Amino acid sequence: GQSLEQPSEVTAVEGAIVQINCTYQTSGFYGLSWYQQHDGGAPTFLSYNALDGLEETGRFSSFLSRSDSYGYLLLQELQMKDSASYFCAVRTGNTPLVFGKGTRLSVIA
Amino acid sequence: DVKVTQSSRYLVKRTGEKVFLECVQDMDHENMFWYRQDPGLGLRLIYFSYDVKMKEKGDIPEGYSVSREKKERFSLILESASTNQTSMYLCASSFSGARTEAFFGQGTRLTVV
Repeated sequence: GQSLEQPSEVTAVEGAIVQINCTYQTSGFYGLSWYQQHDGGAPTFLSYNALDGLEETGRFSSFLSRSDSYGYLLLQELQMKDSASYFCAVRTGNTPLVFGKGTRLSVIA
Repeated sequence: DVKVTQSSRYLVKRTGEKVFLECVQDMDHENMFWYRQDPGLGLRLIYFSYDVKMKEKGDIPEGYSVSREKKERFSLILESASTNQTSMYLCASSFSGARTEAFFGQGTRLTVV
């Protein structure tokens, strides 16, 4: 089976940087994705890492280490609108996305 | 823009009723999925489909069935609704292939009383 671990809650100050970690146990790993979900909204895709290293998209970056079965999402210059739940997800072979339980990020003034 | 549309935003059904949740996508995606989301449990996969008339069980298929008669439509069926099926149900779709960007519908909040 597959399992993913991520912190359940994180609080950070507006303008700061926050890192949300994700560790996974799986076989036939293809890649690690991140999704954002605001309260009452649908999850939306943020990033996908198939290879080791850092991918940057604006204020958001995502990192993957395949050897460590570990990744993280880095959010810079935090804004109040970044308050949301963030999910890591893995895909292995011809299987659908398996999601972690989510990290609720609260951005405070 | 990709659009995944779920037929109802809110539903209230009685215990024992047969419930149909409908999902339609307009991007010709091969893959379609049904997830259930509960507080603290994340998104759990109920069923998925890689092609028309094809279905595979996910992690929690008990009490559910699905139907995919057309590529764009994927239906989730609760054969006999129970109170423990009160939840948020999310439909998603994606292309096949390694890059796994999935597009989600807005969800159906189902309450079984």
